[in-house]
Amino acid sequence: DADVTQTPRNRITKTGKRIMLECSQTKGHDRMYWYRQDPGLGLRLIYYSFDVKDINKGEISDGYSVSRQAQAKFSLSLESAIPNQTALYFCATSDGGGLAGPYNEQFFGPGTRLTVL
Amino acid sequence: GESVGLHLPTLSVQEGDNSIINCAYSNSASDYFIWYKQESGKGPQFIIDIRSNMDKRQGQRVTVLLNKTVKHLSLQIAATQPGDSAVYFCAETSGGGADGLTFGKGTHLIIQP
Repeated sequence: DADVTQTPRNRITKTGKRIMLECSQTKGHDRMYWYRQDPGLGLRLIYYSFDVKDINKGEISDGYSVSRQAQAKFSLSLESAIPNQTALYFCATSDGGGLAGPYNEQFFGPGTRLTVL
Repeated sequence: GESVGLHLPTLSVQEGDNSIINCAYSNSASDYFIWYKQESGKGPQFIIDIRSNMDKRQGQRVTVLLNKTVKHLSLQIAATQPGDSAVYFCAETSGGGADGLTFGKGTHLIIQP
C-alpha cells in the first residue's frame, strides 16, 4: 500500500468551479507539502504545514487554500479554478526531525492531474 | 531571483555506460541538496541527498558531487540500465528543508539499448 495517497488521480473541471484535492499519509510524518508541476518546469511549492495548527504559504499560493484536518490529511482547494491552474499536483510528507535531525527527505504521492477548461 | 537550474534538458546514453547529470544553483544559503527521479505518471522518488558540509556522497550505483565554490551539483549514475530512463530533478533548500524544496527544471535521461 502506498504511504502517500492522493485523490482524485485525474480531474477535469470548468473555469469558476471549486475543486478540492485530497492527500493522506500513513507515514506518521508531521510535515506535509503541496507542489504543482508544469511541463518543462520543476515542482513549485504552493503551501506547507508542520502540524494541524500550522499553515505556511509557499512560492505560488495565490489562488489556492489548504486545510490540515489531521496529521495524516492535507487538502488543497481551488476556490474558483482558472485554466492556468491546469497542472500536475503533488503532495509530499517529511518527518519533523528526531534522530535524523532537520535534514529529511520528502516522500511524494502519485500526483493529481487537474485540467481546467 | 534565486533559482536552481539544469545545464541539459535531455541526455541520451548507451546502456551500460555511465551518465552524469548536472545542476547549477544560485542560492548561497542552500545547505541541503537532493536528487529525485520521476518516471512517467509517478511522483518524484528520492535518489540521494547531500548536505553542504560534504562534497561527495555515494549510494548504490549513484554518486552526488557538490562544488560549493561554483554552486554546482552533479549526479553520476554508473552502468546505466533501461530502468534508469526518467526525468531527474535536483532540489535545494536551506534550514534542513522544513520550508519546502526549490526544484530545478529537470533532465530527461534516455537509455539507449
